[in-house]
Amino acid sequence: EAGVVQSPRYKIIEKKQPVAFWCNPISGHNTLYWYRQNLGQGPELLIRYENEEAVDDSQLPKDRFSAERLKGVDSTLKIQPAELGDSAVYLCASSSRERSRGTQYFGPGTRLTVL
Amino acid sequence: QQQVKQSPQSLIVQKGGISIINCAYENTAFDYFPWYQQFPGKGPALLIAIRPDVSEKKEGRFTISFNKSAKQFSLHIMDSQPGDSATYFCAARSTSGTYKYIFGTGTRLKVLA
Repeated sequence: EAGVVQSPRYKIIEKKQPVAFWCNPISGHNTLYWYRQNLGQGPELLIRYENEEAVDDSQLPKDRFSAERLKGVDSTLKIQPAELGDSAVYLCASSSRERSRGTQYFGPGTRLTVL
Repeated sequence: QQQVKQSPQSLIVQKGGISIINCAYENTAFDYFPWYQQFPGKGPALLIAIRPDVSEKKEGRFTISFNKSAKQFSLHIMDSQPGDSATYFCAARSTSGTYKYIFGTGTRLKVLA
């Protein structure tokens, strides 16, 4: 079974530029998470989807961040415009109540550097 | 804001020794406590997990000890190996059915050969 796939793996952009990250969860996993992990810190939840619905986006900076999960499968996280403080690793994870009892599995992450 | 506090921040252990990482949580609204292992440049990978109705779970060299009354849980790595050198995160999942996870700040483990 393929794991969580993320792309790109690395992204370097100038501040004020837009950037987008893509995530393909494990097949059949209805719950999808986007986390931000700053250097030396644990992952912090940005948004969580149950199928197509964003059920927890309280930590998402909505002035510049947006996300979507069309058809309840793949998801895209966008930052526009990016700021220096957005430099971090953006992790996607997925889980399934039926198939994994809610255990979440992480992708490799996208390392974003904002110059 | 629910929190999970993790210690120590870093740990150096000799090969063959026991590595112990501790976590504490602040309320009882959690129903699942996983530990993740993360190597540089990789995403966190589930290592072992426990539910609060069990006081201990062992998988190979890895053991979780859970103290519900003290709201603490710990990871023990027996016979630590250089390949165990990584960052370890504890986490707690909310009981509300929302499957929201709160992570500790991580422990960087280095096992000396």
